[in-house]
Order: sequence, then C-alpha cells, then structure tokens
Amino acid sequence: DSGVTQTPKHLITATGQRVTLRCSPRSGDLSVYWYQQSLDQGLQFLIQYYNGEERAKGNILERFSAQQFPDLHSELNLSSLELGDSALYFCASSESGANVLTFGAGSRLTVL
Amino acid sequence: GQQVMQIPQYQHVQEGEDFTTYCNSSTTLSNIQWYKQRPGGHPVFLIQLVKSGEVKKQKRLTFQFGEAKKNSSLHITATQTTDVGTYFCAGRGAGSYQLTFGKGTKLSVIP
Repeated sequence: DSGVTQTPKHLITATGQRVTLRCSPRSGDLSVYWYQQSLDQGLQFLIQYYNGEERAKGNILERFSAQQFPDLHSELNLSSLELGDSALYFCASSESGANVLTFGAGSRLTVL
Repeated sequence: GQQVMQIPQYQHVQEGEDFTTYCNSSTTLSNIQWYKQRPGGHPVFLIQLVKSGEVKKQKRLTFQFGEAKKNSSLHITATQTTDVGTYFCAGRGAGSYQLTFGKGTKLSVIP
C-alpha cells in the first residue's frame, strides 16, 4: 500500500457519460498529480495541484476537469466520454511540488 | 513543450544478460527520476539524479545523468526475472513543476 488511495479501481461506462475519479494523497503530501496511461503507452501528464491550487497543466482535454479540495483529496471529472478515453488513470502525490511521486494503484476506465 | 524520449521501447533479454535504457530530453532538466512499473502495477520511484554527470548505484542498477543534464541512462547488470517491468524516466525542466515521463522501456527477461 503506497498510501495514495484511488477510487474506484474499475469503472465501465458508455460513450457520452460522465465519471468522477477520486484520489486521497499520502498523509502529509500537499501536491496531487493526475496521469493517463493508455495501453502500452507512457504516462501522459494531465494536471497538478498544490495545496488546493492548480500548479501545472498538461495535455488535458477540455472535457476533463479536476480540482483539489481543502482536505487535499482530488477529483478528476471526465465528461462526454469517448472510446479513446479508456485508460488507466493514475493519481500521484508528493510533499511539495518538486519532490518524487508516490502513485496510487490507478482507476481503470473502460468506455463502451 | 518539454519532451522526454526513451529508447528502446521494448527489450527482451536472456536472464543474466545486461540491459540498458536511454532517456533524452528536448530541454535541460533540473533533475531526472526513474520509476519501475511491474506488470499490472503502478509506477514506483527508484531514484532521483540532480547533479550534472551524477552516477548512482543500487545493487545491480546503475543510473547516470549526462553532463549537459539532457540525457540519462539506466543499466542493469546480470538481469533477473524479478527485473521484469517497464522502466520510466521522468524529468523536470528548470523552474518547472511538471514532471514529464518518457514512454518507458518494457523489459522482458527470458529464464
């Protein structure tokens, strides 16, 4: 157990739907990162938050949004889902914005 | 934006052979990190290199950071079946918070 908790572990939904992925960072970590990993692909950086504020943004689609709440947990919202959004979504946390990352187990999203 | 290229994409080795994966950045990095992802698992931090020309060892693993801080390598001596997985490098540009990952090198070890 890495200390980073992601829910749900698996999610199957249909095209056009909206889902929310949740992440609780490791105790003491202020920064949360979201990455997308498609089959046999690397880790695509989506977005980073630090203590509730957006700190860095990657190639995140406009259909996707995220936020970090006062208790430091984060949610990634994916809307108008397409088949190509099927992927493993990882959340990671770090003490500050420039430390090493501790990853959660991921949320596997399947869009049918 | 910053790009991190990693080669090879796949590597199959016989157990006991050596293995190397290379990482190149389009920009100068403030530091580089290496992660390992076992099949079905999540990435796990291995090491961070910060200084130009830095070399660090972890048992059979040797990590190097280039003099120009734009490239790095991971070398595994005498691979074992427990080394199986995907190895990712990840770099941060100077003054940047974004950690950009390479596409990874998937290592298979044939017993």
